[in-house]
Amino acid sequence: DVVLTQTPLSLTVAPGQSASISCISSQSLQDTDGRTYQYWHHQRPGQSPQLLIYEIFNRFSGVPDRFSGSGSGSNFTLTISRVETADVGLYYCMHAIELPYTFGQGTKLEI
Amino acid sequence: DVQLVESGGGLVRPGGSLRLSCRASGFTFSTYWMHWVRHISGKGLLWVSRINNDETIRDYADSVRDRFTISRDNVENTLYLQMNSLRVEDSGIYYCTRGLGGYWGQGTLVTVSS
Repeated sequence: DVVLTQTPLSLTVAPGQSASISCISSQSLQDTDGRTYQYWHHQRPGQSPQLLIYEIFNRFSGVPDRFSGSGSGSNFTLTISRVETADVGLYYCMHAIELPYTFGQGTKLEI
Repeated sequence: DVQLVESGGGLVRPGGSLRLSCRASGFTFSTYWMHWVRHISGKGLLWVSRINNDETIRDYADSVRDRFTISRDNVENTLYLQMNSLRVEDSGIYYCTRGLGGYWGQGTLVTVSS
């Protein structure tokens, strides 16, 4: 199975500052079709997860441009600019390059 | 608006069965792949199963294969997960998702305990 390793597992950021989360995959997430099947999800306390970013850098509908994804191959980063209190919770990296799809351990963001 | 509403969770003894449902609305259900994902508190997310739009492709995580069955009713816009021979480690909140997590339901809690 593909292993996704997120760092850090926890971080505390002051409102208005930036936060970055790394996701490293045990293998490349780029498929033969040229697309890279890497995603970021956010789960606020007590709520369902929500898709933030798909295929490295594409923001899902309604996601503010404070959230940005970057990277390639097996190394990816989620950056949150101008952090707000609503950004608290767990952030998960996910892949869909092969079955089974797997998630990173999650990174807890506190404000 | 896209809505996914899960139901069917509960407390069951090891070896028992449950059938989860996910009622979809706000989009053309029959054209989307659907997935089940489990959240285990303190341990994160685990992909459980997926099904394509016409039920010709069904895939499972190794830990549930041969015990769980995913299905759908494109007339009733409902996704199902039949869970048999349940184990303690199957406990968690089960979410249905449209595609690769573009939309998630609110989840239904499954607790397997003696």
